[in-house]
Amino acid sequence: EAGVAQSPRYKIIEKRQSVAFWCNPISGHATLYWYQQILGQGPKLLIQFQNNGVVDDSQLPKDRFSAERLKGVDSTLKIQPAKLEDSAVYLCASSLNYRVLGAFFGQGTRLTVV
Amino acid sequence: ELKVEQNPLFLSMQEGKNYTIYCNYSTTSDRLYWYRQDPGKSLESLFVLLSNGAVKQEGRLMASLDTKARLSTLHITAAVHDLSATYFCAGEGGSQGNLIFGKGTKLSVKP
Repeated sequence: EAGVAQSPRYKIIEKRQSVAFWCNPISGHATLYWYQQILGQGPKLLIQFQNNGVVDDSQLPKDRFSAERLKGVDSTLKIQPAKLEDSAVYLCASSLNYRVLGAFFGQGTRLTVV
Repeated sequence: ELKVEQNPLFLSMQEGKNYTIYCNYSTTSDRLYWYRQDPGKSLESLFVLLSNGAVKQEGRLMASLDTKARLSTLHITAAVHDLSATYFCAGEGGSQGNLIFGKGTKLSVKP
């Protein structure tokens, strides 16, 4: 079974530039999450999708971050414009029934804003 | 709002020794999750603890949950170098019962 795919793996941008990350979840997983993991900390949820609808985006800085999940499969997360404090690893995860199996995480995209 | 605290944050062990990582959480969480993360890699699900008194074991790792004390433990038996990683616990919080993670415990097992 293929895992959660993310791209790119690494990205370096200057502050005030824009960046987008892509995620392809495990086939059949209706729930998709984007997490931000700052160095030395645990992952923090940014947004949760159920199929193509948003169920929780309370922690998403909506003035600069946006995310979409078209057709209930792939998802993109965008930052525009980026700030230095956005430097982090952005993890995508998906689940079928996370309360029994947990969520499955991709390898993440490491973003460095300079 | 659920807060999850792990201790210790850093743990250096010798091979063959036993140790326990503690995870305290601030409000009710029906379930507790343990993940492992190797450097530069993603998070791997280790255990999902479903109820009070739950105990799960996989190899040299054993996890338990006490919902009354709001405490979960991850016990390491006879540590080996391959166990070196960062271990995260997570509870259910947020409006959708999403995963709220602790800061992680970085484990280093030395020969």
